[in-house]
Amino acid sequence: EVQLVESGGGLVKPGGSLRLSCAASGFTFSSYSMNWVRQAPGKGLEWVSSISSSSSYIYYADSVKGRFTISRDNAKNSLYLQMNSLRAEDTAVYYCARERMATMANDYWGQGTLVTVSS
Amino acid sequence: QSVLTQPPSVSGAPGQRVTISCTGSSSNIGAGYDVHWYQQLPGTAPKLLIYGNSNRPSGVPDRFSGSKSGTSASLAITGLQAEDEADYYCQSYDSSLRGVFGGGTKLTVL
Repeated sequence: EVQLVESGGGLVKPGGSLRLSCAASGFTFSSYSMNWVRQAPGKGLEWVSSISSSSSYIYYADSVKGRFTISRDNAKNSLYLQMNSLRAEDTAVYYCARERMATMANDYWGQGTLVTVSS
Repeated sequence: QSVLTQPPSVSGAPGQRVTISCTGSSSNIGAGYDVHWYQQLPGTAPKLLIYGNSNRPSGVPDRFSGSKSGTSASLAITGLQAEDEADYYCQSYDSSLRGVFGGGTKLTVL
């Protein structure tokens, strides 16, 4: 069974940093591209970043470029999102999602982890 | 403001058919990138409903169907059921291979 479990969310002050993790199981993690998608309270989905299976290709939304860094450790079946210079508008539930092969669709999602940026 | 445009809400009675539109531009849907659709029930993570414009993952009822034409795409739900009440999102990619979502459509089953 495919499972994605996010962790690392919490309350952080503006300007602070946080590192999210996503533990994957039930599939060959090293074969799949992965994404981070966020959802602000009461709002819609926003794509944040994606990383290819071997980390060769990495993309960011303009809203986080230069502040967030996506990475993965295929040996540990884990995906990460390092978030620096956090702003109030980064407050959201952050989901990690697996990309279905050859489609760029997100076929499995974690339960999400809440990041709150507030003083 | 979302890159892809969806109606904020749609509604229908049980058994009826509803459609949800998703309008993009020549930079995303019109550039040939596939459209995917997600269903999000209250308090839960999104679930993939349609991928590659019109394909259903296993387990998704054939009451759900998708189509794409030009710079737009549509999700159709036939035989509406109470459990279909949810938020629906379309997704595609832009020419820089960054993901783009629609603003979401709340489906109310009357």
